[in-house]
Parts: sequence; structure tokens; C-alpha cells
Amino acid sequence: AQSVTQPDIHITVSEGASLELRCNYSYGATPYLFWYVQSPGQGLQLLLKYFSGDTLVQGIKGFEAEFKRSQSSFNLRKPSVHWSDAAEYFCAVGSGEAAGNKLTFGGGTRVLVKP
Amino acid sequence: NAGVMQNPRHLVRRRGQEARLRCSPVKGHSHVYWYRQLPEEGLKFMVYLQKENIIDESGMPKERFSAEFPKEGPSILRIQQVVRGDSAAYFCASSLFGGYTFGSGTRLTVV
Repeated sequence: AQSVTQPDIHITVSEGASLELRCNYSYGATPYLFWYVQSPGQGLQLLLKYFSGDTLVQGIKGFEAEFKRSQSSFNLRKPSVHWSDAAEYFCAVGSGEAAGNKLTFGGGTRVLVKP
Repeated sequence: NAGVMQNPRHLVRRRGQEARLRCSPVKGHSHVYWYRQLPEEGLKFMVYLQKENIIDESGMPKERFSAEFPKEGPSILRIQQVVRGDSAAYFCASSLFGGYTFGSGTRLTVV
């Protein structure tokens, strides 16, 4: 069965500092990996996704993620955090991009940005 | 081009009442998914539907929950005889060939 672990429930970071959110997955086949962001009371917005190819993936809002098969990880990074990045971040794994691909989500990491 | 529309945004029900959550997918999308987010948790898959068919309901509770996606109109997630433990955010997503688009969710509170 597939699973996703986000070890950090909460992270506090100063504005302008770098951010790294951890994600570890368990999946029996080639994983399709996603990072979503959820602002309070809102739905989920896709930040980036990885299917194949270059293991360093660029996303929206200045985020990037690196796929490391040997570590079963897909950590999300941002070099310089803005106050508007305060939100909850979810890592997810799926079986593909075709229709019918259901996603398994991690428990989320809540990011607080200090001025 | 509207995204996935869910309504209502907030729904309050007393224990024992029925809750109906509606989801209008992106125009042209024929695949709909429902996910539930319990407080302080990630999203959990509930059900995947295509027009008039339930394809995968492996995440649906066996009782009181049902879903449909009729030929015309929105997809409906129906919860009968709600209990406090049903309080959660329910998200709908749609796709055509792949690539989810999520709605903003319906926050159900059972009092």
C-alpha cells in the first residue's frame, strides 16, 4: 500500500530565510509525486509535480522539489520565504497522471512565517 | 473557465440529519473524486466517479455515505444520519485525462 510521511507537523521560519519541507513516500512502483499548498479555509493548489526526467522540479511561487529515489524522498524547498507562504503544505503520491489516479496524501506541514 | 465549484462552502447539520454536498467539475471534465480532510489531518480518498458510474469507492464508509455523478448536473456526496465524527472538510476534484483540479471544499459541522 502506498503511504506518505511528512515528519514535521509545524515549521516556523523567518521571512527571507530558506525553507525545506520533508516528504517520504512508500510506493511499490514508479511514484508520481505532488506538492500542494492550502491556505486557511481554501482548497488545494498544485505547486509542482514529478513524473519522470530531471529529478529537480521547478514549481510555482519560487518552489522547487528534488526527487531522491534512494531515499524515497521528495523534499520541497524555497530559497527565500515570503509572509504569504504561511500555509499548510501537503505531499502526495499517486499511480500516474491518467484519470482514475487516486492520490495518497501526507498529514501536512503547517508553515508559520515570522516577520 | 470556472474551476471546480463546490457548494455550500459551509454546512451545519444536527446529529441525525442528512448532508448533501455538491460538486460541479471543470467544464468538460468527466472524472470526479471526493476526498475528506479531518481536523489536523491530510486528505483521504473517498470515491472516484465517472458520469453515471462509481469506479472506485474503496475509501467510502460502508454505511450512511453515498455518491453519485449523474449524466446531467453536479456530483453529489450524501451523508445520511450525520454524527459528530462526520465533521470535516470535504473536497472534490475533477480531471479529464489526468491532472487534478480541486475545489475549495465544503466544511461540514455536525452539532
